[in-house]
Amino acid sequence: QQQVKQSPQSLIVQKGGISIINCAYENTAFDYFPWYQQFPGKGPALLIAIRPDVSEKKEGRFTISFNKSAKQFSLHIMDSQPGDSATYFCAASPAPGTGNQFYFGTGTSLTVIP
Amino acid sequence: GAVVSQHPSRVICKSGTSVKIECRSLDFQATTMFWYRQFPKQSLMLMATSNEGSKATYEQGVEKDKFLINHASLTLSTLTVTSAHPEDSSFYICSAKKQGAPNQPQHFGDGTRLSIL
Repeated sequence: QQQVKQSPQSLIVQKGGISIINCAYENTAFDYFPWYQQFPGKGPALLIAIRPDVSEKKEGRFTISFNKSAKQFSLHIMDSQPGDSATYFCAASPAPGTGNQFYFGTGTSLTVIP
Repeated sequence: GAVVSQHPSRVICKSGTSVKIECRSLDFQATTMFWYRQFPKQSLMLMATSNEGSKATYEQGVEKDKFLINHASLTLSTLTVTSAHPEDSSFYICSAKKQGAPNQPQHFGDGTRLSIL
């Protein structure tokens, strides 16, 4: 059973556009929500993360929006660039003391067209 | 930063060979390390969770005798694929969490591409 559902599976965006990737979860014990970026042949790299006590977090061109009541969170990439073309994974983990495991979404392949 | 080094990056070997993959946290201590397997264009599949000084916890369906995990220190975990066969060919990735503070991200190595002929 997929603990974290991610959409879309693939996304094509024009350079300068906004890329939006969505994730949803059911387990209210989740307390930490990171996003990872993965290039081919490389391991995932942490991009940005959020806790449920805030509704938005912004780091440069990357913003996480978090809706606790809807149990949804999304990644927005502003002014998307060809170098942003990669696979993006959302993840969720439970509060400290209740488990170490991260539950990953199925990934979104982003292509930014020049 | 939090750097995780994984070695080797690529292995090609004959069927029946055992292969050891190392995962090191270079600039932090990691109480917990994780081993994942990733198939092309798919998500990360957790294989096992490795805690320093204790036995690894394997996910359902992962053969512990096939995939031996050792976490002997706070900076090193190893995965040994014993008697590897072509179906074991995959991309194996480790990650590590910093000791101590809660809600720490997992920091990933760059993966090992294992190809069994």
